[in-house]
Amino acid sequence: NAGVMQNPRHLVRRRGQEARLRCSPMKGHSHVYWYRQLPEEGLKFMVYLQKENIIDESGMPKERFSAEFPKEGPSILRIQQVVRGDSAAYFCASSATRAHEQFFGPGTRLTVL
Amino acid sequence: ELKVEQNPLFLSMQEGKNYTIYCNYSTTSDRLYWYRQDPGKSLESLFVLLSNGAVKQEGRLMASLDTKARLSTLHITAAVHDLSATYFCAVDNFGNEKLTFGTGTRLTIIP
Repeated sequence: NAGVMQNPRHLVRRRGQEARLRCSPMKGHSHVYWYRQLPEEGLKFMVYLQKENIIDESGMPKERFSAEFPKEGPSILRIQQVVRGDSAAYFCASSATRAHEQFFGPGTRLTVL
Repeated sequence: ELKVEQNPLFLSMQEGKNYTIYCNYSTTSDRLYWYRQDPGKSLESLFVLLSNGAVKQEGRLMASLDTKARLSTLHITAAVHDLSATYFCAVDNFGNEKLTFGTGTRLTIIP
């Protein structure tokens, strides 16, 4: 009965590199949400996806960030040309339907050198 | 835009004492959540409050919701060291599934 899985748990990138963060939702869940937590702050919504569709990306920065949730495989949050300000913990959550409670994964802690 | 405010931001308590964390939100909401986060860890769901007057209790923690005042409280009774953590409230809007989080309350229980 695996919960939400995220990998890697820790990721170090140099400025200008790409970061790929993966999220596998709980079994039976088809709704995925990505949140970012900057140090000493609360979580901020980034994007909400269903299989093959982006439903709400109002929290995504306009440049360098993209997300997908393909028909097969995990959801991926991609950050191109990372900068130091991208250093944060990125959490994925999943739910069975849009009305159900979200369950959070362990997070990926991104450090940009 | 939905805003969620918590206070206090930092709280040091002695073991055995009682205290309350407050969560105010700015617009009508479907649900209110309380989460616990330990340093470097993910969020642990504590309570989901769905309706006005809802009260839930688990151990030394009790959460309540007043939708008319747009206020939720998390009450800690006879605090113990294990409760030291950061506590977040979060709210979702009608028809908008993204959660809006409060700033968090960092709770430290002093022996």
